[in-house]
Amino acid sequence: RKEVEQDPGPFNVPEGATVAFNCTYSNSASQSFFWYRQDCRKEPKLLMSVYSSGNEDGRFTAQLNRASQYISLLIRDSKLSDSATYLCVVTPYGGSQGNLIFGKGTKLSVKP
Amino acid sequence: DTEVTQTPKHLVMGMTNKKSLKCEQHMGHRAMYWYKQKAKKPPELMFVYSYEKLSINESVPSRFSPECPNSSLLNLHLHALQPEDSALYLCASSRGTVATNEKLFFGSGTQLSVL
Repeated sequence: RKEVEQDPGPFNVPEGATVAFNCTYSNSASQSFFWYRQDCRKEPKLLMSVYSSGNEDGRFTAQLNRASQYISLLIRDSKLSDSATYLCVVTPYGGSQGNLIFGKGTKLSVKP
Repeated sequence: DTEVTQTPKHLVMGMTNKKSLKCEQHMGHRAMYWYKQKAKKPPELMFVYSYEKLSINESVPSRFSPECPNSSLLNLHLHALQPEDSALYLCASSRGTVATNEKLFFGSGTQLSVL
């Protein structure tokens, strides 16, 4: 089983749609969780950290389910500018310092 | 705009060339990283510097040689690369190491092509 798994997509949705991505991780002792966004040929940028209590930032909501070992990202009222690849990122507890584990990413395409 | 600056943005080199990638941050971050990213793949960690000391080398071939002259600068020296080394090379920094839930800030990368 891969350490961090994501549905690669692509998710093709119309503007205004609500879209959800899931990500599963294999190491139950994983410590920190993030969603990064990466535009084509650009660097990854932190979208949001993911906390056990769930957290929201505008149209974006992230959830963590430690029991089931999955993380989700919900995007409401999709904008054209949301088109990007969304990377699920996990830090393993006790793992090498600095060793973020990246999922392969889920590609989102928002259409007019 | 990223606060981690990488130069050059693009680099084409032959297999016998020696070149260097440069990275700079002025956020006072004490951890800096080199990642390699191939098309449609996630970034792969190469090296981590923590407080200017190399703390992680992910079994990277010796044709890649990192250097951290001070807490703001990170270089990656390249020599005798292979065509399969062509990729986007990303520098990143964080306030501390990621094990303490620090967020990673990436530079815009150097797109490297080895001919």
